[in-house]
Amino acid sequence: GQQVMQIPQYQHVQEGEDFTTYCNSSTTLSNIQWYKQRPGGHPVFLIQLVKSGEVKKQKRLTFQFGEAKKNSSLHITATQTTDVGTYFCVNDYKLSFGAGTTVTVRA
Amino acid sequence: DTGVSQNPRHKITKRGQNVTFRCDPISEHNRLYWYRQTLGQGPEFLTYFQNEAQLEKSRLLSDRFSAERPKGSFSTLEIQRTEQGDSAMYLCASSPWTSGSGGNYNEQFFGPGTRLTVL
Repeated sequence: GQQVMQIPQYQHVQEGEDFTTYCNSSTTLSNIQWYKQRPGGHPVFLIQLVKSGEVKKQKRLTFQFGEAKKNSSLHITATQTTDVGTYFCVNDYKLSFGAGTTVTVRA
Repeated sequence: DTGVSQNPRHKITKRGQNVTFRCDPISEHNRLYWYRQTLGQGPEFLTYFQNEAQLEKSRLLSDRFSAERPKGSFSTLEIQRTEQGDSAMYLCASSPWTSGSGGNYNEQFFGPGTRLTVL
């Protein structure tokens, strides 16, 4: 396996705006999972994507898995202060979680 | 509370001492993972069990670290001769897994962690 690369590492967002974080891999992924960790908290599972081109929505969060299964994205619309935290994309736990994308929100 | 629990939540120790942490997973989960997390970084894989069998250990895991899951339920992580560099949050997670899952990893449920400070 190969650790996925996630960009950006930091995202400062004005409340109400949208943003996207991306995960990229040079190899085809069997699946990808997304987690969120609030400041001072522990990672919480958000979603798993398995199928090529898969799109899943959770309220204001939209998750996509690329057609080639080499990339994934998380798009958040109308950012709220509750979206603050670090978002991780993970393929192989043995490769650890990486640094994720840390999101801060300006009210 | 039927989630993953970890004890203690905080541990302060002096360099050179041994420490042991406990993790109680969700009861029906057969996989259990240990991670270490430092400030600004994501969880770093240490080891995982399927039932009582320790299936993999990170190459980063020194011989001062040992983990057990004797009855396939709770697990312990011991660090011998602690060093200041061991200071971190130690996270435990559990997940269900069946042979029919095709090898895909199922979602992990994390505990609150044990924060270790080595003085």
